[in-house]
Amino acid sequence: NAGVMQNPRHLVRRRGQEARLRCSPMKGHSHVYWYRQLPEEGLKFMVYLQKENIIDESGMPKERFSAEFPKEGPSILRIQQVVRGDSAAYFCASSPMGSTDTQYFGPGTRLTVL
Amino acid sequence: AQRVTQPEKLLSVFKGAPVELKCNYSYSGSPELFWYVQYSRQRLQLLLRHISRESIKGFTADLNKGETSFHLKKPFAQEEDSAMYYCALSSPTGRRALTFGSGTRLQVQP
Repeated sequence: NAGVMQNPRHLVRRRGQEARLRCSPMKGHSHVYWYRQLPEEGLKFMVYLQKENIIDESGMPKERFSAEFPKEGPSILRIQQVVRGDSAAYFCASSPMGSTDTQYFGPGTRLTVL
Repeated sequence: AQRVTQPEKLLSVFKGAPVELKCNYSYSGSPELFWYVQYSRQRLQLLLRHISRESIKGFTADLNKGETSFHLKKPFAQEEDSAMYYCALSSPTGRRALTFGSGTRLQVQP
């Protein structure tokens, strides 16, 4: 089991462009969490998804950010019209059942907005 | 609102010295508490969780509900313990998203 995969590992965008971050959970895991880490801060929860469903998006900014976890393929975190303040490390975690299981983290995607 | 506070950004000790990484939390109810560790160039991984009461790599942590603390301790630090340590909590029911502290970097010097 290769663990949680995230790509790209590094992403550079200019202001106003779109950023797409992908997360492939561990095999057999159907629950995905996205977290954002700003410099010198801890990880902050953004969104929790199961296959084809958003369970909790209370940590997601209301505008420009969206997430999906389709039946087939990776989970995608999409940031439209990026701004400098979106520069951060974005981590994905997965768990098999969600409610009581340990979350396993990916290596993260470092987004830099120029 | 739930919050996790790790007051020390950096903790530097010598090999063989005791280590205590502090973690305080605020939560209305009984949360589940975790310690995660990130070694250099590696991904974040679970070190221990309070409900399992395990000792992992010589580390232990006791939940003190009266002081709302979950400090991480090890009696004799090793150089390979040098890493970033994050305390986190989650609701025991519901969505299970983790609330993290800002982390403490532990440096163990030879």
